[in-house]
Amino acid sequence: EPEVTQTPSHQVTQMGQEVILRCVPISNHLYFYWYRQILGQKVEFLVSFYNNEISEKSEIFDDQFSVERPDGSNFTLKIRSTKLEDSAMYFCASTPLDTYQPQHFGDGTRLSIL
Amino acid sequence: AQSVTQLDSHVSVSEGTPVLLRCNYSSSYSPSLFWYVQHPNKGLQLLLKYTSAATLVKGINGFEAEFKKSETSFHLTKPSAHMSDAAEYFCVVSETGGSYIPTFGRGTSLIVHP
Repeated sequence: EPEVTQTPSHQVTQMGQEVILRCVPISNHLYFYWYRQILGQKVEFLVSFYNNEISEKSEIFDDQFSVERPDGSNFTLKIRSTKLEDSAMYFCASTPLDTYQPQHFGDGTRLSIL
Repeated sequence: AQSVTQLDSHVSVSEGTPVLLRCNYSSSYSPSLFWYVQHPNKGLQLLLKYTSAATLVKGINGFEAEFKKSETSFHLTKPSAHMSDAAEYFCVVSETGGSYIPTFGRGTSLIVHP
């Protein structure tokens, strides 16, 4: 069964540095999402992406964050000038057609900011 | 607006006994409801979904959930717990007709004792 893949599985970065988290959604999916899960807290929606532009974004997704689909397969989340509170699991997800279908999640990237 | 409340942060059962994970929701529109499971260091896997068809929904691994509109509930059940069921479970609501951004519950940790 096709899977959403995320790399790296664990990223350690110094505070203030930029990080790029990578995702390869399922190939025929059209909607892409990023979520964040701070340790011990609930999963939080960050942003959705369709047709090469942001569809929706949450209050969390401020100017520090950006997303990009640089080619036909990758979907990236860039975090500029990282802060300690950015430490979390970041999950990528995708859906085939419309946004009411269940999302297929990757295994996540654990981001640790030192 | 939509919200979801998972009534128990932890549920502890013995292997072979029934499982009940409780979820209540609120939604201004017709909701789509999902249960996801998250094993340690893994992504979220869809267990089952309700999207306005049959109110009793059967999912993978013997789980099922019943949509009760009058009670605004979508509790997850399984007749007999296995050790492999130990994981974090998330109830998710998404509004059909409203903001499609899914809202996650805080999660219920299922502990299964031998």
